[in-house]
Amino acid sequence: AQKVTQAQTEISVVEKEDVTLDCVYETRDTTYYLFWYKQPPSGELVFLIRRNSFDEQNEISGRYSWNFQKSTSSFNFTITASQVVDSAVYFCALSPPLTGGGNKLTFGTGTQLKVEL
Amino acid sequence: DSGVTQTPKHLITATGQRVTLRCSPRSGDLSVYWYQQSLDQGLQFLIQYYNGEERAKGNILERFSAQQFPDLHSELNLSSLELGDSALYFCASSAAPGPPTTQYFGPGTRLLVL
Repeated sequence: AQKVTQAQTEISVVEKEDVTLDCVYETRDTTYYLFWYKQPPSGELVFLIRRNSFDEQNEISGRYSWNFQKSTSSFNFTITASQVVDSAVYFCALSPPLTGGGNKLTFGTGTQLKVEL
Repeated sequence: DSGVTQTPKHLITATGQRVTLRCSPRSGDLSVYWYQQSLDQGLQFLIQYYNGEERAKGNILERFSAQQFPDLHSELNLSSLELGDSALYFCASSAAPGPPTTQYFGPGTRLLVL
């Protein structure tokens, strides 16, 4: 069975601080895909990144960076120099096995990030 | 804007009633997904369609049903509504039916059952 754990329920930081959101996953599949989505207060789910299990290179996109470590089954997300607009709930998700079936995503419970002035 | 549209944005109804939520996928996407987000259950997958056919099923209640039409839009029907069905219902779409294709989510329909 697949599982995604986001142990941090809520994180509060002051603007310009760096913050890391943790994501730990469980899967028996050898090839899988991990995702991060952002849910701002307006409610929509915004896709941020997709990462393949066979590519452990870290990725950076502006103030966002992702650290994928297969050895610890973690896919952590860091926001550098946080801003108030980063305040949102962030979800980590895991793709199903590559069995030719459907594409049900397994989501973690989310981390509420509050960035204050 | 993901390109996925959902109507209505908000829906208030009473217990025992039936409602229909509508979703139009991104242009070119053949697969549509429905998810439910509630405080106690989190984000849960309900059902997936690909080009009109059911592809995968999650913990969808028997009171709920969905379909994807030839023009690829999808509808989620919720009947005999209960208070616990109050939630945010998301539709997502993707180009292909399986991983690793990315799912793009619509803005959601917020359902309140009174």
